[in-house]
Amino acid sequence: EVHLVESGGGLVQPGGSLRLSCAASGFTFSDYGMNWVRQAPGKGLEWVSFINSRRSTGSPKYYADSVKGRFTISRDNAKNSVYLQMNSLRVDDTAVYYCAREAVGARGFDYWGQGTLVTVSS
Amino acid sequence: SYVLTQPPSVSVAPGQTARMTCGGNNIGSKSVHWYQKKPGQAPELVVYDDSDRPSGIPERFSGSNSGNTATLTISRVEAGDEADYYCQVWDSRSDHWVFGGGTKLTVL
Repeated sequence: EVHLVESGGGLVQPGGSLRLSCAASGFTFSDYGMNWVRQAPGKGLEWVSFINSRRSTGSPKYYADSVKGRFTISRDNAKNSVYLQMNSLRVDDTAVYYCAREAVGARGFDYWGQGTLVTVSS
Repeated sequence: SYVLTQPPSVSVAPGQTARMTCGGNNIGSKSVHWYQKKPGQAPELVVYDDSDRPSGIPERFSGSNSGNTATLTISRVEAGDEADYYCQVWDSRSDHWVFGGGTKLTVL
């Protein structure tokens, strides 16, 4: 059974940093692209970042405009984990952050974690 | 960047049919995916590639996509279908995944 478990959320001051982790199990992790998606309080879903599977030649990484230059996505296939390094955090980064597995052929996100809450506040 | 437009809310009585739209420029040329999101829960993929259902999703959920509008249809609506529904596409011009703003389905 596929499981995705996020961790690393918490309270951080504006301008601070946080590193989120997502531990995967139940599937061949290195075969799948992975994404981070967030939902701010009372708002809709917002895609944050994508990292390709190991089979891609250059492992492209993509970022939403709102986080580009501040957030960095990475993965460790030996640890079946994907990470999101968040720097220069702003109040409007406050959200529940979900990791999600991208279905083969980019057919949506077929598995999601339960999310981890990031609160940016002074 | 590519924009997806969803109506904020749709209301339907139990047993009736709910239709939720997702508008985008020539969205019919893209593959649209739909998610159900309930409070406190992770989103769940209910339709992918316009009209296919993941295993475990009831046949009551169906989708279509043509021109500038994609539609998620839920037949014989049940109280448990009350949730927010989001459409999603891949925008190849910006290399971004894009979500619509979401539609809140209320079961009267």
